Amino acid sequence: DAGITQSPRHKVTETGTPVTLRCHQTENHRYMYWYRQDPGHGLRLIHYSYGVKDTDKGEVSDGYSVSRSKTEDFLLTLESATSSQTSVYFCAISGTSRHEQFFGPGTRLTVL
Amino acid sequence: DQQVKQNSPSLSVQEGRISILNCDYTNSMFDYFLWYKKYPAEGPTFLISISSIKDKNEDGRFTVFLNKSAKHLSLHIVPSQPGDSAVYFCAASGTGGYQKVTFGTGTKLQVIP
Repeated sequence: DAGITQSPRHKVTETGTPVTLRCHQTENHRYMYWYRQDPGHGLRLIHYSYGVKDTDKGEVSDGYSVSRSKTEDFLLTLESATSSQTSVYFCAISGTSRHEQFFGPGTRLTVL
Repeated sequence: DQQVKQNSPSLSVQEGRISILNCDYTNSMFDYFLWYKKYPAEGPTFLISISSIKDKNEDGRFTVFLNKSAKHLSLHIVPSQPGDSAVYFCAASGTGGYQKVTFGTGTKLQVIP
């Protein structure tokens, strides 16, 4: 199994507060991704990274920002959390093919 | 605009029988297709993939079929086992440089012992 961890695994926060989710990999893969999973929507890409300090937006990037200062870490920040951002967030990394992605265990975020 | 569609949210199959999960896509630029399996409270795991130059790829009990003219792919699981009960996501990506992977909404498979 690919070495991917996410922290925290669960978080409850209040509307308007900033939240940062962390993804850490030990595989030295170039590509890292943040997805959210919601009923009826499957997995939707929020942001991705193709190298240190190289990031780009996905299809649902509004309200989210990311940073990647090291190969192994990819941070997702909700600047001011809203109830619509209640979701399960998954980090993923790409191996050499760039197509098969390996996913972390997920973070369940609840915004009250 | 859902470019990858899984029109069956759920499917129930008896143990030992064949499970057939379907997926349709609309973007003709997609040329690589994947299936992921997801158990509750876990991240998705890669199951099997197929390139558009093929029409079939097989891995043990799992076979993926691709019909490019119909923009349709299917995952066959034979024989189905209770441990196959999970949500299955179809995904697709395109050519040239980095192409993000687009996921379908998932089909929940229940294999009944």
